[in-house]
Amino acid sequence: NAGVMQNPRHLVRRRGQEARLRCSPMKGHSHVYWYRQLPEEGLKFMVYLQKENIIDESGMPKERFSAEFPKEGPSILRIQQVVRGDSAAYFCASSPQGESGYGYTFGSGTRLTVV
Amino acid sequence: GQQLNQSPQSMFIQEGEDVSMNCTSSSIFNTWLWYKQDPGEGPVLLIALYKAGELTSNGRLTAQFGITRKDSFLNISASIPSDVGIYFCAGQLGAGGTSYGKLTFGQGTILTVHP
Repeated sequence: NAGVMQNPRHLVRRRGQEARLRCSPMKGHSHVYWYRQLPEEGLKFMVYLQKENIIDESGMPKERFSAEFPKEGPSILRIQQVVRGDSAAYFCASSPQGESGYGYTFGSGTRLTVV
Repeated sequence: GQQLNQSPQSMFIQEGEDVSMNCTSSSIFNTWLWYKQDPGEGPVLLIALYKAGELTSNGRLTAQFGITRKDSFLNISASIPSDVGIYFCAGQLGAGGTSYGKLTFGQGTILTVHP
């Protein structure tokens, strides 16, 4: 009964490279949320996806960031041409339906460091 | 946008003491959640509150949802060393639409418990 799996746990990228963060939701969960956490801050919502659909991307930066949740496979958060300010912990959460906060399960996160 | 103000920012207490932290918002939320985050991990749900005025307990934890739907507090009684971590409040609109599942987090309260 695996929880939300995120990989890699740690990712180091040089400025200008691309970062790909993966999230496999819990079994039976079809809703995925991505959050970003800067050092010593709370989590900030980025995007909410269902299978093959982006439902709410109001927290995503307009440029360089994209997310997908294909019919098969994990959800991917992609950051192109990374900059130092992208260094943060990125958390994925999944739920069986979109409506309930109680159904949220977070992964352990991917810590991105841009050097 | 919505903001949650969480206080205190940090607390240093002796084992066995009680702890209280609170969260206020400029906006109404229909669901309040309290999470704990250990170093290097994702947030774990402690308590979920769904009704204004609701008081809910989970072991040594007690949380209340304010009548105005704009505030909540979390109490931890008889603290133990494993209570160390960062505690976050989070609000969810839960009123339908695309923002239904999105969480807005407070800045966190760092709790240190001295044995």
